[in-house]
Amino acid sequence: EMQLLQSGGGLVHPGGSLTLSCEASGFIFNDYAMNWVRQAPGKGLEWVATITSNGGKTIYADSVKGRFTVSRDNSKNTVYLQLGSLTSDDTAVYFCAKDWTGRLDSWGQGTLVTVSS
Amino acid sequence: EVVLTQSPATLSVSPGESASLSCRTSQIVSANIAWYQQRPGQAPRLVLYAASTRATGIPGRFSGSRFGTEFNLTISSLQSEDFAIYYCQQYNNWPRTFGPGTKVEVK
Repeated sequence: EMQLLQSGGGLVHPGGSLTLSCEASGFIFNDYAMNWVRQAPGKGLEWVATITSNGGKTIYADSVKGRFTVSRDNSKNTVYLQLGSLTSDDTAVYFCAKDWTGRLDSWGQGTLVTVSS
Repeated sequence: EVVLTQSPATLSVSPGESASLSCRTSQIVSANIAWYQQRPGQAPRLVLYAASTRATGIPGRFSGSRFGTEFNLTISSLQSEDFAIYYCQQYNNWPRTFGPGTKVEVK
C-alpha cells in the first residue's frame, strides 16, 4: 500500500523559514515525480511545486518561486519542501503527493503551517 | 495558465439520487483532467483521471465524460460517503491548476 507520511509544520513568524518532510513507502520512490499542494483554511487546492524522479528538475508556482525549494533524497525515500520569506498568505495545510504522469494518486496526511506574529 | 471553472459551487442531493458536476477549462487540455474527492479533515483522493478512467478502488457509480473543454463527473446513486468536495485538476500544462471545487451536500 502506498503511503506518504508527512512531518514538520507548525507556527512560524512572518519572514521566517520552515522545512516540511514527506517519507514514502509502498512504491518505488525514485521512479516517480513528487508534488507539494497546499490548501489555505477554508479554501481550495493550490499546486505549489513538482520535482522529477531523479531530482534533476523542479517547477514552482509563481506564488512561491524564489522563496520555496523542493528537494528529495531518494536514499531516504523522502521529499522536502523548504519554505522561506513566509507571509500570512502562506498559511495553509501542505500536502505532498505522488505524481503519476500528472495525476496525483497518493497523498500525505497534510501538515499545517501557520504564519503569524 | 489554464483556468478551471467548476459548477455548481454547491449541489444538494438526496442519498440514492445522482449528481452531475461540471468542470470547464479555459484552454484545450486534451483529456488530461483528474477529479479528486476531499472529505472534511482529510487529504484529497484521486477519483478519476484521463477524464473518465476510475482510479484504483473507486466504485463504478463514479463516471466521467468530456465534451471539448467541458468535463463532467457523474455520481449515480449517492452513498453517504460520497458527500464531499470534488475538485478537478488539469495536468496538460504548467502550472498545474485546480478548479475551485463543488461541494456535494445532503439535501
